[in-house]
Amino acid sequence: AQTVTQSQPEMSVQEAETVTLSCTYDTSESNYYLFWYKQPPSRQMILVIRQEAYKQQNATENRFSVNFQKAAKSFSLKISDSQLGDTAMYFCAFSFGGSNYKLTFGKGTLLTVNP
Amino acid sequence: NAGVTQTPKFQVLKTGQSMTLQCAQDMNHEYMSWYRQDPGMGLRLIHYSVGAGITDQGEVPNGYNVSRSTTEDFPLRLLSAAPSQTSVYFCASSYQGLANEKLFFGSGTQLSVL
Repeated sequence: AQTVTQSQPEMSVQEAETVTLSCTYDTSESNYYLFWYKQPPSRQMILVIRQEAYKQQNATENRFSVNFQKAAKSFSLKISDSQLGDTAMYFCAFSFGGSNYKLTFGKGTLLTVNP
Repeated sequence: NAGVTQTPKFQVLKTGQSMTLQCAQDMNHEYMSWYRQDPGMGLRLIHYSVGAGITDQGEVPNGYNVSRSTTEDFPLRLLSAAPSQTSVYFCASSYQGLANEKLFFGSGTQLSVL
């Protein structure tokens, strides 16, 4: 069974600064994907970024980037130039076998961006 | 396209009552899933379906039934609600179930069981 651990229940950052959210996972699979999802107060689930395990290059989406350390089973999310709209719950998630319909989520990190 | 539609948005039940949470998508997606979200627990997979007539259990299936008679609909049934089923329920769908395609989530159903 796969497990996903987010060790930071809550974090805060000042607007325009950079923050890193941590995620570690445990699996014996070799073919898998990792995701970061954002859930604002509206409750909508929004995909922030995804990373395929076979790709060594870290994924980047505008102000969001990941640090994927496969040997350490670590998948952290860096948010640069934080904005008030980044305030949300962030979930790290794992899927194996190239699928997206059986996700394993971490418990989440509540990020607050302060003005 | 309406995307993934969940009804109702809010529901209060008494212990022992039954109800069905509805999930419908109009995108001809084969893959659909149900998750529950509890405070401090993240989302956990209840049941999923890879096509009409095919369903399987996820991580926390006890107390829930599903069926998939059409591609569009994937209802979640609570036969005898318990306070432990108080949660926010999310339905999700995707076309081919692949990790490199978009996964569509509904807006959730907040269920309280008294």
